[in-house]
Amino acid sequence: GQQLNQSPQSMFIQEGEDVSMNCTSSSIFNTWLWYKQDPGEGPVLLIALYKAGELTSNGRLTAQFGITRKDSFLNISASIPSDVGIYFCAGQLRNNAGGTSYGKLTFGQGTILTVHP
Amino acid sequence: AAGVIQSPRHLIKEKRETATLKCYPIPRHDTVYWYQQGPGQDPQFLISFYEKMQSDKGSIPDRFSAQQFSDYHSELNMSSLELGDSALYFCASSLTLGQFFGPGTRLTVL
Repeated sequence: GQQLNQSPQSMFIQEGEDVSMNCTSSSIFNTWLWYKQDPGEGPVLLIALYKAGELTSNGRLTAQFGITRKDSFLNISASIPSDVGIYFCAGQLRNNAGGTSYGKLTFGQGTILTVHP
Repeated sequence: AAGVIQSPRHLIKEKRETATLKCYPIPRHDTVYWYQQGPGQDPQFLISFYEKMQSDKGSIPDRFSAQQFSDYHSELNMSSLELGDSALYFCASSLTLGQFFGPGTRLTVL
């Protein structure tokens, strides 16, 4: 089956530093999603990318959909303590039907981010 | 904005018992997904429903079954529970783009 390799596995940074994490896949996806998960809670969608080469920002977060459709990266600028958590990438092969679209997510292994004040 | 609702949030069962997890998607979302997340693991896809029909199936044990009802809510039924079934179970819903997760049900099997 499809596998996603997410790196790094963990990061320890100082408040104010920038962070970068990425995901690579052995096969193509037509959608890349980035989530943040706090312990015991559900993943929260941060950014969604739907076109190869797309670069999207959401506040201090920037993500790109790789041109080969097999990779994506997420950057967090000027980190703050509340950025602490586990970040997951997820690839999706979306099926379109009657104005809607659906498809399971394949997740990366996650990046544990620790921010020191 | 309304989010995905899951119940119960916590569930403790004995081995060989059964459990039913419920999911209420975001209003107007027509697709529901179930994921299982073990400790320190990423979420693993179990099963999904689009317009009340099963749309995809992942690594879901035969002891588990699920369905989506006419009001689009979904239930995951788990029988003959095993210790290894202890995990967080997430439901997610979608309409067009993006997939939105609920808070999860933490199942503990003793």
